[in-house]
Amino acid sequence: DTEVTQTPKHLVMGMTNKKSLKCEQHMGHRAMYWYKQKAKKPPELMFVYSYEKLSINESVPSRFSPECPNSSLLNLHLHALQPEDSALYLCASSQGGGERTDTQYFGPGTRLTVL
Amino acid sequence: QKEVEQNSGPLSVPEGAIASLNCTYSDRGSQSFFWYRQYSGKSPELIMFIYSNGDKEDGRFTAQLNKASQYVSLLIRDSQPSDSATYLCAVIGQAAGNKLTFGGGTRVLVKP
Repeated sequence: DTEVTQTPKHLVMGMTNKKSLKCEQHMGHRAMYWYKQKAKKPPELMFVYSYEKLSINESVPSRFSPECPNSSLLNLHLHALQPEDSALYLCASSQGGGERTDTQYFGPGTRLTVL
Repeated sequence: QKEVEQNSGPLSVPEGAIASLNCTYSDRGSQSFFWYRQYSGKSPELIMFIYSNGDKEDGRFTAQLNKASQYVSLLIRDSQPSDSATYLCAVIGQAAGNKLTFGGGTRVLVKP
């Protein structure tokens, strides 16, 4: 089973709203990722959690706040977003451990629209 | 020079033909190479990975890796209209801190 789930599938929010994206995996993976993908572009890495600790923050604005409550869950808290933040937000997970075969599996994504 | 480069396409292929996709990378320390398929509006789906020189086959898909020339390719045999999608090449390399670096993707159109 290589399933990563994400909720919600779609989210529309105003610039003053606070919302959260959720991601879950039950594959025993120890690394989890947030990516942002704009239309016709490849995914861009935002954050990496390894063994529940934030290991990479790709200089993402503070209006995006990640959280890893446990090894199966990953949240992305959103506050005061801008219209240009509208995109497909992808969660991924991998076994972790730095092995060269560390394959990332993606969830279905959350389509975010900021009005 | 981009770290991972792909021809953006579209690559137009008749149904039943072989689609050949290429990807070049700049980091000689790259260790792992992945092909993802992404349908419009959907998330990337792993097709296969390869980390040794040579060919790796999985059903209608064959990945080919040539580390000396720093390219990896994907062949899709007996192409079907359902193969119409964007194919993303991704590489894990030391220069990028062992992060997954994506190419821009190649759009493939299989025409009946």
